[in-house]
Amino acid sequence: DADVTQTPRNRITKTGKRIMLECSQTKGHDRMYWYRQDPGLGLRLIYYSFDVKDINKGEISDGYSVSRQAQAKFSLSLESAIPNQTALYFCATSDLKGLGGRTGELFFGEGSRLTVL
Amino acid sequence: DQQVKQNSPSLSVQEGRISILNCDYTNSMFDYFLWYKKYPAEGPTFLISISSIKDKNEDGRFTVFLNKSAKHLSLHIVPSQPGDSAVYFCAGPQNDKLIFGTGTRLQVFP
Repeated sequence: DADVTQTPRNRITKTGKRIMLECSQTKGHDRMYWYRQDPGLGLRLIYYSFDVKDINKGEISDGYSVSRQAQAKFSLSLESAIPNQTALYFCATSDLKGLGGRTGELFFGEGSRLTVL
Repeated sequence: DQQVKQNSPSLSVQEGRISILNCDYTNSMFDYFLWYKKYPAEGPTFLISISSIKDKNEDGRFTVFLNKSAKHLSLHIVPSQPGDSAVYFCAGPQNDKLIFGTGTRLQVFP
């Protein structure tokens, strides 16, 4: 089983609908992240959380919200989906045991492909 | 402002030859860099890293070179293999987050 699991893997929805992407991890990491990937734009950070009581906006948080239900679970919501939110979404985790004791390697889920019509 | 830039969206290399993927950055405060590899339908996976106090890190066929004065790093793959065909992202840390480049799609052909 994957250490970082995302559901659903694929979703097609309509403009204006609410959609939730879920992420769970078995790595025991405190830090969790949501990124989106778009062609030519790379991976851009939406939201991140360093523990259950900590939520932070990333570079493209508008139109999104998150919930850290437990150490192992971090969900991303689109309250009213729009077509330019069509993208590949990745959840990731990390611990502090990186280079220099700061955030180190990220471990990614397999991605959730979202299409908004 | 794109702090980490990969100016080549794609690269095509013959099997057995060297692949060189480039990355430029603007933030001098990055104290390490990482390279990630991504296959279709999979999440990115960590490939290799380099501390800013070093100018080279080697791991098997993969070597990262860092030129701090030019704010440039490169990933060398020697020899390239068809299984190396993937999208490669460079990344640097900022305030405990990773900032990624736009990626370079490498295709290794026989």
